[in-house]
Amino acid sequence: SQKIEQNSEALNIQEGKTATLTCNYTNYSPAYLQWYRQDPGRGPVFLLLIRENEKEKRKERLKVTFDTTLKQSLFHITASQPADSATYLCALARENQGGKLIFGQGTELSVKP
Amino acid sequence: EPEVTQTPSHQVTQMGQEVILRCVPISNHLYFYWYRQILGQKVEFLVSFYNNEISEKSEIFDDQFSVERPDGSNFTLKIRSTKLEDSAMYFCASSPTGVVAKNIQYFGAGTRLSVL
Repeated sequence: SQKIEQNSEALNIQEGKTATLTCNYTNYSPAYLQWYRQDPGRGPVFLLLIRENEKEKRKERLKVTFDTTLKQSLFHITASQPADSATYLCALARENQGGKLIFGQGTELSVKP
Repeated sequence: EPEVTQTPSHQVTQMGQEVILRCVPISNHLYFYWYRQILGQKVEFLVSFYNNEISEKSEIFDDQFSVERPDGSNFTLKIRSTKLEDSAMYFCASSPTGVVAKNIQYFGAGTRLSVL
């Protein structure tokens, strides 16, 4: 069955540094890979989407890469701020599967001032 | 900014009772979803709904679950006879039309269901 793994449960970094989060998947061929942010007790909030034929996407301080050969996505937050502290979720989707998103377990990011 | 609204924010029920969780998706969206998240676990897909019918459902979405769009604005999830293991946060989501855009889902704040 498909499996999505995100790197270490918690990532602690200093304000101003770049946070790099990893999403690896097996037994799956997604057409889209997405990153969401989730704050405690809240629903996921969409951040970025990248398609299988794209290598990299950027939005302000966020960057995502997608390597379908390695079956891996990297999510970067540059110039991190304490307000970036949250859990970040990787989600995969296929075409023609009714929009079903398969989520990873998330990586909790803590940015210290 | 438009948002997905879910009510109630917290529902407490006795095992075996029926519950209905309510959602108002973003008004011009046509794709609707329910997910659940058991405390400390990953967000899990339950069902997707488009054009007044279920598009896809997971193994979790068995005969005890049903969805309905009773009018032009609400989208509901019914659990007929709740079990202890149904205790979770339930998220409603919606997405707009468009080949790529329909994959971007906007989530509500969730309903915490506690089954006693």
